[in-house]
Amino acid sequence: QVQLQESGPGLVKPSQTLSLTCTVSGGSISSDSSCWSWIRQPAGKGLEWIGRVCPSGSTNYKPSLKSRVTISIDTSKNQFSLKLSSVTAADTAMFYCARDRMLTGDPWGASDIWGQGTMVIVSS
Amino acid sequence: SYELTQPPSVSVSLGQMARITCSGEALPKKYAFWFQQKPGQAPVLVIYKDNERPSGIPERFSGSSSGTIVTLAISGVQAEDEADYYCLSADSSYSYRVFGGGTKLTVL
Repeated sequence: QVQLQESGPGLVKPSQTLSLTCTVSGGSISSDSSCWSWIRQPAGKGLEWIGRVCPSGSTNYKPSLKSRVTISIDTSKNQFSLKLSSVTAADTAMFYCARDRMLTGDPWGASDIWGQGTMVIVSS
Repeated sequence: SYELTQPPSVSVSLGQMARITCSGEALPKKYAFWFQQKPGQAPVLVIYKDNERPSGIPERFSGSSSGTIVTLAISGVQAEDEADYYCLSADSSYSYRVFGGGTKLTVL
């Protein structure tokens, strides 16, 4: 059974870069049948899709975050990562990683497995 | 930028049918996915590709699509179905995905 676990600093200073890692267990991150996404959720607010990476290394990002976001994949460690630069208090949120299982006829896939989430606070 | 619109809240009596809508210009061409999120928990996929149900999701959950609106229906609503529900889809150019604003389902 595939499981995902987010990890990284829970506190980041304004203007610095937020870095999180998602470790995949119980399956290979290199599988062509899956891509891997990051989603965040400020406290009391809705879900926000950040972006995704596929085993080929191809990426897609939310347009308004694109200039600050980098998502990468490390197949040797079975991990994928999120970097968000120049953070402000508005970036404080619960961050989730998820598996996008590829589906016939749909290039995005179903986000069918999620990590438990990790809270990141941006504060000096 | 592309947006998906959901009603902020829906209320339904125990045992009745609940319907939650999600509207977006690209929905006639792009699949929708639905997620259930309970307080303090990660979201759970309940519907994929507009109307497919993952294994383990009760049959009372169903999805449908008509033009620019997709609908999540929950028949015979149970107390445990009280949660926030989010739709997810892609923009028309397939360059990014977006979540709807979420709907809080209250079971009376």
